[in-house]
Amino acid sequence: GQQLNQSPQSMFIQEGEDVSMNCTSSSIFNTWLWYKQDPGEGPVLLIALYKAGELTSNGRLTAQFGITRKDSFLNISASIPSDVGIYFCAGRASGGGADGLTFGKGTHLIIQP
Amino acid sequence: GAVVSQHPSWVICKSGTSVKIECRSLDFQATTMFWYRQFPKQSLMLMATSNEGSKATYEQGVEKDKFLINHASLTLSTLTVTSAHPEDSSFYICSARGTGGLYNSPLHFGNGTRLTVT
Repeated sequence: GQQLNQSPQSMFIQEGEDVSMNCTSSSIFNTWLWYKQDPGEGPVLLIALYKAGELTSNGRLTAQFGITRKDSFLNISASIPSDVGIYFCAGRASGGGADGLTFGKGTHLIIQP
Repeated sequence: GAVVSQHPSWVICKSGTSVKIECRSLDFQATTMFWYRQFPKQSLMLMATSNEGSKATYEQGVEKDKFLINHASLTLSTLTVTSAHPEDSSFYICSARGTGGLYNSPLHFGNGTRLTVT
């Protein structure tokens, strides 16, 4: 099956800094999704990407679907305290799980005041 | 749109009892919902697919008699943890595909249920 590598595993940054995280896969994906999960809550969809090369923004967040269809990145500009949480990438390809998704292991974002 | 509500948010039960968790799609119909389990600082692990009007499909290693799933309507799926034991303590999350239920629709997640078995 597909494997999804998400990095970094954790990030410790100062408020106001920009953040970048990425996911790479061993096979081609047709869809990339980025979610954020706050402690004790379910993941919330941030950005959905459906075409190779697609670049989509949602406020201070920007995500891109890699040209090779094997990677995606998420950038957060000018981080603020409420950006703290776990960010998951998820990819969908033929032969995926029943929910069609393969999840990354998450990037824990910690912001130091 | 595409709001998924999960209830309860947290529950504490005694070992040997059963616990029911509800997952509702509030503003759309979901013929398929999914149930996940998440351990601390881990990613989501798919447990089963809940199909409206038919039996649930379980992932390998998930005991179907332990985790009973019922999808009685287009807006409600329930997960019952039967004869719960401390090792069943975890964060359980449901999800549903967005409006139209197209395969490439993003999944929308409930807020999760923290189960603690004492």
